[in-house]
Amino acid sequence: RKEVEQDPGPFNVPEGATVAFNCTYSNSASQSFFWYRQDCRKEPKLLMSVYSSGNEDGRFTAQLNRASQYISLLIRDSKLSDSATYLCVVNNKDSSYKLIFGSGTRLLVRP
Amino acid sequence: SQTIHQWPATLVQPVGSPLSLECTVEGTSNPNLYWYRQAAGRGLQLLFYSVGIGQISSEVPQNLSASRPQDRQFILSSKKLLLSDSGFYLCAWEFGLAGVAGELFFGEGSRLTVL
Repeated sequence: RKEVEQDPGPFNVPEGATVAFNCTYSNSASQSFFWYRQDCRKEPKLLMSVYSSGNEDGRFTAQLNRASQYISLLIRDSKLSDSATYLCVVNNKDSSYKLIFGSGTRLLVRP
Repeated sequence: SQTIHQWPATLVQPVGSPLSLECTVEGTSNPNLYWYRQAAGRGLQLLFYSVGIGQISSEVPQNLSASRPQDRQFILSSKKLLLSDSGFYLCAWEFGLAGVAGELFFGEGSRLTVL
């Protein structure tokens, strides 16, 4: 079983739609959680950290469910510029705190 | 502010040829440094990481090696490339906070095609 699993997509949604991605992690000792964004043929960049209490940054909301071992990313009012691959990232003490990346979920926002 | 430079951006190499990818970080001291590879349509695979000069940890057995000759310089090498070495190589750094991995800052990547 992969340490971090994501639905590869693609999620194809119209502008203005709300879309949500889930990510599951296998190691209950995971301690920190992040969402990264990767544009086509570009490097990944941090989108947001995921806190236990959940956090919101404009149109983006991240949630953590430790009991079920998943994190989620909600994007409201999708823009064309949101089209990208979203990578779920976790770290844990067992892996010396190295970040473990999921394979990503691809989002396509159409006009 | 901190910056990361990685080069070359693109290269096409024949099987059996050597490889050298270089990465430098500016504006910070004693960063943790990483080399990742991303195969087409797949996630990032951690290849090497370093917490200091001369300190290299390898994550997977492979045809590649890494070196850190200076605090802010990280080099990925191979003596003889294989077809399976093709991919998108990413160097990354983070602040060297002991024991905690935080935000990674990636270079723009090096796209390697082995023919």
